[in-house]
Amino acid sequence: NAGVTQTPKFRILKIGQSMTLQCTQDMNHNYMYWYRQDPGMGLKLIYYSVGAGITDKGEVPNGYNVSRSTTEDFPLRLELAAPSQTSVYFCASSYGIRGTEAFFGQGTRLTVV
Amino acid sequence: DQQVKQNSPSLSVQEGRISILNCDYTNSMFDYFLWYKKYPAEGPTFLISISSIKDKNEDGRFTVFLNKSAKHLSLHIVPSQPGDSAVYFCAASGTGANSKLTFGKGITLSVRP
Repeated sequence: NAGVTQTPKFRILKIGQSMTLQCTQDMNHNYMYWYRQDPGMGLKLIYYSVGAGITDKGEVPNGYNVSRSTTEDFPLRLELAAPSQTSVYFCASSYGIRGTEAFFGQGTRLTVV
Repeated sequence: DQQVKQNSPSLSVQEGRISILNCDYTNSMFDYFLWYKKYPAEGPTFLISISSIKDKNEDGRFTVFLNKSAKHLSLHIVPSQPGDSAVYFCAASGTGANSKLTFGKGITLSVRP
């Protein structure tokens, strides 16, 4: 049971480039999330999804896009990368949304130069 | 506007002693609280939770206490072990618009052998 798998683990982007962070879960969870963690800060919700075909914005959605075509996959797209997007990104999934335990991936460390 | 506050960034305790990690919240609509533990280069993992209908929840060496009137919760680890050294995040959720997890900044716990 792999849980939540994120790729890549590390990436360096140049300003203005774009990339997709991949996230897959094998627990058949309906709810999936993307968080970012900046140094010394908590996790900020970027986007979330309550099921295939349904996505919604979190606290810090600007500069990002998501899609959810299947229950398993929830990719995060960065368009026109900026230095402010340098962060560690975590994908998570859960059975329910309200207070239920969320399972996290190992994270993607992104640096924009 | 931080709704979940972990005001002490770090805590150092001796092995075998009690670790007390504190968390305060401002949103009175929060009614479910969780603690996550995070090791370097890994994603957060769920540790323990408590619903607002309780004031205490215990799981082995870990106990979470909730004081609703003070909007305060604490995580007690007894006895502390070197393997407990990690970053601990407090998180909260409620209903409706507050249903998604809101995280604090985290506390770095160091347990000295």
